[in-house]
Amino acid sequence: AQRVTQPEKLLSVFKGAPVELKCNYSYSGSPELFWYVQYSRQRLQLLLRHISRESIKGFTADLNKGETSFHLKKPFAQEEDSAMYYCALITGGSNYKLTFGKGTLLTVNP
Amino acid sequence: GAGVSQTPSNKVTEKGKYVELRCDPISGHTALYWYRQSLGQGPEFLIYFQGTGAADDSGLPNDRFFAVRPEGSVSTLKIQRTERGDSAVYLCASSLTPGGGTEAFFGQGTRLTVV
Repeated sequence: AQRVTQPEKLLSVFKGAPVELKCNYSYSGSPELFWYVQYSRQRLQLLLRHISRESIKGFTADLNKGETSFHLKKPFAQEEDSAMYYCALITGGSNYKLTFGKGTLLTVNP
Repeated sequence: GAGVSQTPSNKVTEKGKYVELRCDPISGHTALYWYRQSLGQGPEFLIYFQGTGAADDSGLPNDRFFAVRPEGSVSTLKIQRTERGDSAVYLCASSLTPGGGTEAFFGQGTRLTVV
């Protein structure tokens, strides 16, 4: 069965510092990977997906199949990036079902 | 509406009671999903509807849980004989079509507390 691991429950950085939120997955096939974000008192929303190879709000994530990782990175963190971040995957067999990690709470300090 | 709407936003019920949680998806979205998020965990899949039918209910934890979507729009998640372990945030999401290529939009959730 597929699994998503986010090893850090909490991550705290200072404004302007680089940030990397780690995500590892286990799945023998080719999954689709996503990052979802939940800002305080807001609903869960899609941040980016690996197939789009896009940068959203300065965040990027590269799928590394060799290391089965999909880490989220931003070179200069902003206070408004403080939020809960969830890594998720969809597998080919059930291409509608998101499997989420437990999430990482990012705090960007002034 | 502008987004996925869930009612109520909070529900407190006594152990053993029956509850219904409602989800209004984005108009025109054929795919609808229910997830459950327990404290400290990520959302966990419960059930997926394509139109009116439950295409995958493999995530429902037991037969106390049931969901319907009779007209292919609004969905109701029903929990019988609630237990304290059912306390969680229940999330509904919808997408235009199923599949990872189509973004799933989430509601704000219903926080269920069983006392």
